[in-house]
Amino acid sequence: DAEITQSPRHKITETGRQVTLACHQTWNHNNMFWYRQDLGHGLRLIHYSYGVHDTNKGEVSDGYSVSRSNTEDLPLTLESAASSQTSVYFCASSGLAGVGTGELFFGEGSRLTVL
Amino acid sequence: GENVEQHPSTLSVQEGDSAVIKCTYSDSASNYFPWYKQELGKRPQLIIDIRSNVGEKKDQRIAVTLNKTAKHFSLHITETQPEDSAVYFCAASRYSGGYQKVTFGIGTKLQVIP
Repeated sequence: DAEITQSPRHKITETGRQVTLACHQTWNHNNMFWYRQDLGHGLRLIHYSYGVHDTNKGEVSDGYSVSRSNTEDLPLTLESAASSQTSVYFCASSGLAGVGTGELFFGEGSRLTVL
Repeated sequence: GENVEQHPSTLSVQEGDSAVIKCTYSDSASNYFPWYKQELGKRPQLIIDIRSNVGEKKDQRIAVTLNKTAKHFSLHITETQPEDSAVYFCAASRYSGGYQKVTFGIGTKLQVIP
């Protein structure tokens, strides 16, 4: 069955370290998204991609970067982790090219703690 | 960009009663309005959605209504059950040709009291 997976599921790191969260989908979806979830803020968009080599900034992109070298993967990198980036991160995908229902399929989430 | 406001942030109802969650959006070009349910410790999952050319959609005990003029849409859950307890997110999206960017509300934590 097609799926979307994230790794690691839990990570503790220190301020200033670089962290990469992996996201891999086998839906063959063109659209991929990274959200962070914080109490009182819901799901906020960090970065998104509409296809290979396409990346776009969301509403809370400062301190984060992504790259899309193939259809399946959209890794999220925190260049220099800050305590404000402690959060639960969700990757999501949608939309076969030109078709699709619009439904977002979410990964299981990655809980990141920055000490 | 799109801004989605969602009310209330928390909602407690007795089992069997109805629950209503309301959302407003700002971008008149948004044309796709999904609702996601997130159970504790789980990932969000789509429960119902509505497109801008439709005013109401129903699926068993859940229904969504859309008022494009007022830029307002709502989720209605009837005959609530304990398993309906979760966080519900509304969202708005401009969906065209398979491409979209989804903006979420802050979520409503629904508690159904047995």
